Amino acid sequence: GDSVTQMEGPVTLSEEAFLTINCTYTATGYPSLFWYVQYPGEGLQLLLKATKADDKGSNKGFEATYRKETTSFHLEKGSVQVSDSAVYFCALRRNTGFQKLVFGTGTRLLVSP
Amino acid sequence: DSGVTQTPKHLITATGQRVTLRCSPRSGDLSVYWYQQSLDQGLQFLIQYYNGEERAKGNILERFSAQQFPDLHSELNLSSLELGDSALYFCASSVGEGSNYGYTFGSGTRLTVV
Repeated sequence: GDSVTQMEGPVTLSEEAFLTINCTYTATGYPSLFWYVQYPGEGLQLLLKATKADDKGSNKGFEATYRKETTSFHLEKGSVQVSDSAVYFCALRRNTGFQKLVFGTGTRLLVSP
Repeated sequence: DSGVTQTPKHLITATGQRVTLRCSPRSGDLSVYWYQQSLDQGLQFLIQYYNGEERAKGNILERFSAQQFPDLHSELNLSSLELGDSALYFCASSVGEGSNYGYTFGSGTRLTVV
């Protein structure tokens, strides 16, 4: 079945450091790929998405590129802030049939001043 | 405010009891999805409704059931509760079912079974 694998956390960084959170997927066909963010005590918010190979999703300084050849969708940000501390979930959704979101296990990011 | 409303925010109940979680989707959204988030299982898809009809089931226990009403709000019923049912339960909604439609999540109901 479809699955998403994320790097284990927590990822601990200092403010202004470069961020990479790795995400790889297994799916039939060419799914859409998503990154969601969950701040403490809140629900999940869509951060960015990409719907086909080589697409780059971006939002709030975060970027991720849909790499079909490596089945990856790594999240990057050039300079993190304390306010970016949250749990980040990579997810996929098939483009045919019933399209439920399949989530990775989440990666906690902790940014210190 | 995401536009998806879940009530109650917190619920504490005893083993063996039954609870109902409620979700009001974002205005105009026809699809409702329920997810369970626990520390050991991560985010697990439970069930989806579209315009009142059940569309798909995931890892939903037989003790759990759900429905979507004509006004499109949805309820998730959990019965014969066990300690292991303690989790965050999220509802999400979308306009349609296709992958171009993003999900909007509510802030969740935290269920604690004691």
